[in-house]
Amino acid sequence: DAGVIQSPRHEVTEMGQEVTLRCKPISGHDYLFWYRQTMMRGLELLIYFNNNVPIDDSGMPEDRFSAKMPNASFSTLKIQPSEPRDSAVYFCASSLTSSARGSAFFGQGTRLTVV
Amino acid sequence: GDSVTQMEGPVTLSEEAFLTINCTYTATGYPSLFWYVQYPGEGLQLLLKATKADDKGSNKGFEATYRKETTSFHLEKGSVQVSDSAVYFCALSGGGQGAQKLVFGQGTRLTINP
Repeated sequence: DAGVIQSPRHEVTEMGQEVTLRCKPISGHDYLFWYRQTMMRGLELLIYFNNNVPIDDSGMPEDRFSAKMPNASFSTLKIQPSEPRDSAVYFCASSLTSSARGSAFFGQGTRLTVV
Repeated sequence: GDSVTQMEGPVTLSEEAFLTINCTYTATGYPSLFWYVQYPGEGLQLLLKATKADDKGSNKGFEATYRKETTSFHLEKGSVQVSDSAVYFCALSGGGQGAQKLVFGQGTRLTINP
């Protein structure tokens, strides 16, 4: 398996623009997580899905952020409009219910820079 | 809520030195505990885990023991190598409906000099 695949790897955008980050989880995994990593706040869980249904979005910073999982093999995280403080590395991870809880597989991340 | 506290870095050691990275946690119930490692430019990888008290997780020469009495899960390695240079994250997953989600510590950057 190719692992969790995220695209793009790097994104530079201007303030006010819409940004869409994409994730393909490991085939067969039923949990999908979006994390954000910054120097100041470390790794924060933004939202997670189980069987394509959002379970907990309490980590989503504000209404500018939205996430969807239209099917088991694809998820998006959208920021509209983007702001410089959104600059971070965004990770997608997936896991399987039957595996040990918390044993998640992470993608390589998308480094977002908003100028 | 659940939380994880790691020793602050960065940590710099010479090759073949002994490594300890401290980790303590606060959680209700009986969490599972993890160490993840992040190499430069990459995502996090699971290094080791322990699911109940007194369990010892081990991998690639690293070890950590789940100590419920001290709520700790310290990472150790007897002889580090340059290739161990990375950021190490302690994490927990709680019980109940949120059993699959991870709460991470701040991370500890480790640099090993030859």
